[in-house]
Amino acid sequence: DADVTQTPRNRITKTGKRIMLECSQTKGHDRMYWYRQDPGLGLRLIYYSFDVKDINKGEISDGYSVSRQAQAKFSLSLESAIPNQTALYFCATSDFPSGGVSYNEQFFGPGTRLTVL
Amino acid sequence: AQSVTQLGSHVSVSEGALVLLRCNYSSSVPPYLFWYVQYPNQGLQLLLKYTSAATLVKGINGFEAEFKKSETSFHLTKPSAHMSDAAEYFCAVSFGGYQKVTFGTGTKLQVIP
Repeated sequence: DADVTQTPRNRITKTGKRIMLECSQTKGHDRMYWYRQDPGLGLRLIYYSFDVKDINKGEISDGYSVSRQAQAKFSLSLESAIPNQTALYFCATSDFPSGGVSYNEQFFGPGTRLTVL
Repeated sequence: AQSVTQLGSHVSVSEGALVLLRCNYSSSVPPYLFWYVQYPNQGLQLLLKYTSAATLVKGINGFEAEFKKSETSFHLTKPSAHMSDAAEYFCAVSFGGYQKVTFGTGTKLQVIP
């Protein structure tokens, strides 16, 4: 089945370590997104990419970086992890059909639970 | 700027009772609207979406939502709650195209036996 996958699913790390979260999709979508979820705050956008050559900051990009290696792959890095980056991270994709209407409906991966000690 | 407000971070209903989860949006033009559900330890999945066609939208698992422009609302309802409906529900707004999606803060639904 066409899907969005994330690795790892769970990660515990220490303050100051560099961490990479990976996202792959088989939906053939051009658009990919990284969100973090914190209790009571909903989902907040970290970075997004509308195609391989396009990278944009979201509302909470400080302390994060991304790489769009291919249409199907979008990685999120924490250069030097800190405890307040402990959260649930989601990758998502959306379609932009040529000649059609884009609603930006998001298709989510299963999430990565990151704990920074 | 677009925004979405979900009233009530926690809602409890008895099994078999009506489920009503509230969502209000803020924008100068009607947006596209979505409800997503997140079951424990899972990602978000789409329940239903409003894309400017019918104002009453039916989704999966017996849920539906009505777009009311005059009230800037898109409340989610289900006539009879089931234990399996216990989850967190997110309302989201988009204008499509190159615009981002904005999510509400979520409502956790508890279903009491």
